[in-house]
Amino acid sequence: GAVVSQHPSWVICKSGTSVKIECRSLDFQATTMFWYRQFPKQSLMLMATSNEGSKATYEQGVEKDKFLINHASLTLSTLTVTSAHPEDSSFYICSAKLAHEQYFGPGTRLTVT
Amino acid sequence: GQNIDQPTEMTATEGAIVQINCTYQTSGFNGLFWYQQHAGEAPTFLSYNVLDGLEEKGRFSSFLSRSKGYSYLLLKELQMKDSASYLCAPSTDSWGKFQFGAGTQVVVTP
Repeated sequence: GAVVSQHPSWVICKSGTSVKIECRSLDFQATTMFWYRQFPKQSLMLMATSNEGSKATYEQGVEKDKFLINHASLTLSTLTVTSAHPEDSSFYICSAKLAHEQYFGPGTRLTVT
Repeated sequence: GQNIDQPTEMTATEGAIVQINCTYQTSGFNGLFWYQQHAGEAPTFLSYNVLDGLEEKGRFSSFLSRSKGYSYLLLKELQMKDSASYLCAPSTDSWGKFQFGAGTQVVVTP
């Protein structure tokens, strides 16, 4: 139980385009989901907390107009990277909260060319 | 602000024991998690401490002292597959938000 999926697993896009990443909790409902970003050989950096039915809470330094988060249902949160640039290339990981624990998705590797 | 310190890298041989220390200073505290992450993969849950003391779970144990802002993860009977990054993550608020440490890369040698 407690499986989280992400789609796509990897994506390559051109600079200036937008990319949407989906995070789904497959066998449980998650009121709260989290989005992280991880650069090579660095730790996970929390980007935002996504609560179902309300606006996401962004961490300091994360542009909310660039990283659009929508948590429209108890099993789905989406992260849209708008007007992507090469510096946005990273490993994006979501997690879904169940009780006190976070269950992580497999991650999405984004490469912006 | 949040401050989480753990060693960058540790090397040990197969069958040995390794202890990864983590000190933290956070504005809130709601438990401490340890995760394992292999390169290019998502983190997997190892342990959770909310009260002081030792939690044992097979080959892995985790200790917490809230007054000292200190935790450690103990890995026993090391196996080659234990080579990975180990992340210390205090949960900092009632929403369950984590702040991850930089991670300790454990290298297990034959």
